[in-house]
Amino acid sequence: GESVGLHLPTLSVQEGDNSIINCAYSNSASDYFIWYKQESGKGPQFIIDIRSNMDKRQGQRVTVLLNKTVKHLSLQIAATQPGDSAVYFCAENFSNAGGTSYGKLTFGQGTILTVHP
Amino acid sequence: ETGVTQTPRHLVMGMTNKKSLKCEQHLGHNAMYWYKQSAKKPLELMFVYNFKEQTENNSVPSRFSPECPNSSHLFLHLHTLQPEDSALYLCASSLRRGNQETQYFGPGTRLLVL
Repeated sequence: GESVGLHLPTLSVQEGDNSIINCAYSNSASDYFIWYKQESGKGPQFIIDIRSNMDKRQGQRVTVLLNKTVKHLSLQIAATQPGDSAVYFCAENFSNAGGTSYGKLTFGQGTILTVHP
Repeated sequence: ETGVTQTPRHLVMGMTNKKSLKCEQHLGHNAMYWYKQSAKKPLELMFVYNFKEQTENNSVPSRFSPECPNSSHLFLHLHTLQPEDSALYLCASSLRRGNQETQYFGPGTRLLVL
């Protein structure tokens, strides 16, 4: 049968506004999370990461929040700029009992962020 | 630049052709990955190599054949592909160290199978 393609969530903001991109992850055992940004014609680019023993982590203009209770991750971008326009992916990873990563990231479907000047 | 390079950046091939994609990482990492990115689908993990040993084959058809001669180089050999194999093929690398393992991606090879 014909496969159904995903309709990526979209977020449109004005330049200078704050952006919040959300992600629901699937595995309650996941202990490490990453946000990636993918611009047109490029590979995913690392933005920020967070371990499961943290609730919040800040970078330059970006903040990641983790709510393990509801398995939710968010990326906040302050003072969004046109150069932030891209597809944003969350990814989750989990480790074995010894604390070693399996190295298998599971990616979300992505959110398209469009920043209008 | 992320330190992961891929060649070629674009490739058009017929279903009877044989071609190879190349990936090289300059980050001193010990694990490398192939992903497939199709339109409107999440990234799909294809293969994982850890210290040159293949540790994951995610049910990939045999018309895709990976090769990892050393920790810095990764190839994906292609033969008798189908039009539905047209996609962006991404290579990534990481440093296996505990549970905090960030993968860094190359720019990808845009493949079109006619």
